[in-house]
Formats: sequence, structure tokens, C-alpha cells
Amino acid sequence: GAVVSQHPSWVICKSGTSVKIECRSLDFQATTMFWYRQFPKQSLMLMATSNEGSKATYEQGVEKDKFLINHASLTLSTLTVTSAHPEDSSFYICSASSLAEGQYFGPGTRLTVL
Amino acid sequence: AQSVTQLGSHVSVSEGALVLLRCNYSSSVPPYLFWYVQYPNQGLQLLLKYTSAATLVKGINGFEAEFKKSETSFHLTKPSAHMSDAAEYFCAVSDTSGGNQFYFGTGTSLTVIP
Repeated sequence: GAVVSQHPSWVICKSGTSVKIECRSLDFQATTMFWYRQFPKQSLMLMATSNEGSKATYEQGVEKDKFLINHASLTLSTLTVTSAHPEDSSFYICSASSLAEGQYFGPGTRLTVL
Repeated sequence: AQSVTQLGSHVSVSEGALVLLRCNYSSSVPPYLFWYVQYPNQGLQLLLKYTSAATLVKGINGFEAEFKKSETSFHLTKPSAHMSDAAEYFCAVSDTSGGNQFYFGTGTSLTVIP
């Protein structure tokens, strides 16, 4: 199957700083990328959907000004957590998809905000 | 609207025993159904998927699932549990194999007792 990478795999930052997480589809062009958040021992919750070249669509309750999503190319989407606080600590998982290829998940990024 | 219900947040089986993880779905359109496995601090690994072809789907690591439309179920089974099967399992539904968001169940934690 297709490969989706995320970078970094883990990050620790101070409260108030911003963190950028990259999601790349390595061997196919992803027309749509999804960002999920997973709290410990819970399921994945969709945060936002992004289509290449368009503004992301955020799920209800997700602050778009706090979680900035950019999908500038068919192989790269970024999630920037702005002014991070401890409650933003979580496991963030992206997925890349196209109708032709299906949907593939990245390995996740563990964010810890001190 | 689509949703998934996983009955049993925790399942324990003895090594060598049958594994049965339950998943029921709700979908207003023909569903695409998926089972994923997640090991601690890792991303999702696709076990198998149903995409309207054969109702009995065989996946990796000896797992299989049967799509039963009359019961709106897609239960995951494995004839003989192995210690390495201990993990978190998620069932998901979508209206496509890619391109649209996945709706995840709350997950089932599988423990294998030696």
C-alpha cells in the first residue's frame, strides 16, 4: 500500500510556542488529507479535512485559528498548533487519500506541551 | 450519516483461542468498512477492508471479517490468538474507499493471556 509519513514523530514544546507537523504522501498524489486527534485510550476524532489548494474544513468545536492547516501541494499538508498549551498535548494522526488510491494513515505525531 | 459501534471496549482471550471483535455500522449509503490495529504509540495499520466485493474479507496476520448487511455488522475474527495480537483495534466506515472521511468506532483493546 501507499506510504504516508509524518514529521516529527514526537515533539516537546513550551507553553505558548507554535509547533508545525508535516504530513506527506510519498508515492501518490493525495487530493484530500485529513487530520485526526487521539487522546490516550480513545478513538480518533476528525479535526479537519483539507483539499489541495483549498481552505480546510474544520469539524465543529475545532478552533481554526489555533490549528492552522495548509495543503499547498498534492503530497504535503501541514498542521500548525499555535500558542500551544498543555491541553493540546495529544497524538495527532494524518491521512492522505484519493479516490483512486484509497486512504492511508501516517504513523502519528506525539505532541507534549509543557 | 454514518457511524460505527464497537461492542466491548476490552476483550481478553487466551493464547490460541478464537478472537471475536464486534463492529456494527450505520450508513445511509452502501458502506466501505475497515479494521485497523494500533500498537502503543504507533499509527494505524490496515488489517482488512470491505469494498462491496466478497462479503468475507481476509486480511493480514490471519484476521478476517464478514460483512452481513442484514445484521449491519462487520465483526473481526481470528481462529487462534497470538500474544502479538494484543493491541487496540478500530473499526471504521466510510462512503468511499478514499476521498471522504472515515468514521471510527471507540476501539476495542485486545488482551491475550498466555
